[in-house]
Parts: sequence; C-alpha cells; structure tokens
Amino acid sequence: DIQMTQSPSSLSASVGERLNITCRASQTIGTSLNWYQQKPGKAPKLLMYAASRLQDGVPSRFSGSGSGTDFALSISSLHPEDFATYYCQQSHSSLYSFGQGTKLEIK
Amino acid sequence: QVQLVESGGGVVQPGRSLRLSCAASGFGFSSYAMHWVRQAPGKGLEWVASVSYDGSDKYYADSVRGRFTIFRDNSKSTLYLQMNSLSAEDTAVYYCAREVIIQLWLSFDYWGQGTLVTVSS
Repeated sequence: DIQMTQSPSSLSASVGERLNITCRASQTIGTSLNWYQQKPGKAPKLLMYAASRLQDGVPSRFSGSGSGTDFALSISSLHPEDFATYYCQQSHSSLYSFGQGTKLEIK
Repeated sequence: QVQLVESGGGVVQPGRSLRLSCAASGFGFSSYAMHWVRQAPGKGLEWVASVSYDGSDKYYADSVRGRFTIFRDNSKSTLYLQMNSLSAEDTAVYYCAREVIIQLWLSFDYWGQGTLVTVSS
C-alpha cells in the first residue's frame, strides 16, 4: 500500500502570508496526486488534481507542484476563508490513500 | 446540480451490522465509479471502498476487507455500503464521493454531507 505523509501536521499563519504544505508518497506516483480542503463539519472539497491542475472555481492563489514522491500545495496570499484542513491523496493505486492532514490556523 | 445524500447512519452495537445508502441525483450515476470515505471523530480521511460504474469491480481498504461490501443499484441511482461485524474503530462519519477522470487523472469531485456511524454498547 502507498503511504502518504504530510508536513507539517498543523501550522499558524496570518492573512496575506504565503505558505507551503508538503506531501510525500512512500513510492513513486507520477503526478497522481490530489489536494482537498475541509472545513469543520463539512465535506472535503477538491482543490487540485494531477498534482498541479486547479479544479474549476478554485482561486488562482492556490497552486500545486511536484512529481514522483514529493509534492507541495502553495497558497500565495492567505485569505480568511483558507483557514481549514488540507489533505493530499494519491490516485496511482486503486487503494486511494490520504495524507493525515495539515490544519491551518489563524495566527 | 450534482447531489449526493447519505443515510442509514446511527448507533449500533459492536458486532452488529448496518447498511448505508447514498442517493445520487443531477448526473448520470450509471456512468461514474463511486467511493466511500470515512472520518473518525477528530481524525483524518480514510478511503474505505470503491465500485466501478457497472458494479463489476470493487476495491476495499485492508481495514474493512471481508467485513464491508460496497454495491450499487443503477436503476435507483443509489450506492450502498453493507457493514458487518462492526467495532468501535468503525465509528466515523461516512461520506460517499463521485470519482471523475480528467484525461488520465482520477479524483473525487463531489461529496455527500456524510452520515455518522457510532459503534457503541
């Protein structure tokens, strides 16, 4: 099974800051990597697929990069609505594992 | 618009069974593979199971294989998860999600609101 590891598990940041969240796969997955955003009490929302392709309607301040085993989600300038938990997910194998999540809190 | 509505959650005793449903609308259900994903209280997302568009292919997480069965009724646009031999570790919100493949890349583009399953005596 492919294990997905995100870092950090949590972080505090301020509105307007730029930040990166990283995700590492236990084996190479090409660019079969998705990012989701989840707010408390809500279902996850797809942000990005194929490591760097923005889902329709997602603001352009979100971007993704990486291939193979190392990936990153970047937010260029944090907005108040971006404070949430972010998950990566591999879609390389048919057992679609998620990372443990990164909780983004307001500083 | 695409809608996925889960139901069937509740409180169940350890060792008992429960069946979840996910009613789909607003898209051609029979053309899409579907998934169940769960989230234990205060924890992260865990993929549980998937079924192909026609029900012929199914995959399960190691944690549920042999106890859970995913199936679908395309005539009713409904996805199911039959859960047997439940334990406290199965306590979670269960989401159904639609799989989409854009070019070569697969993701889950629509999710239901979730249904809570609590396994407790």
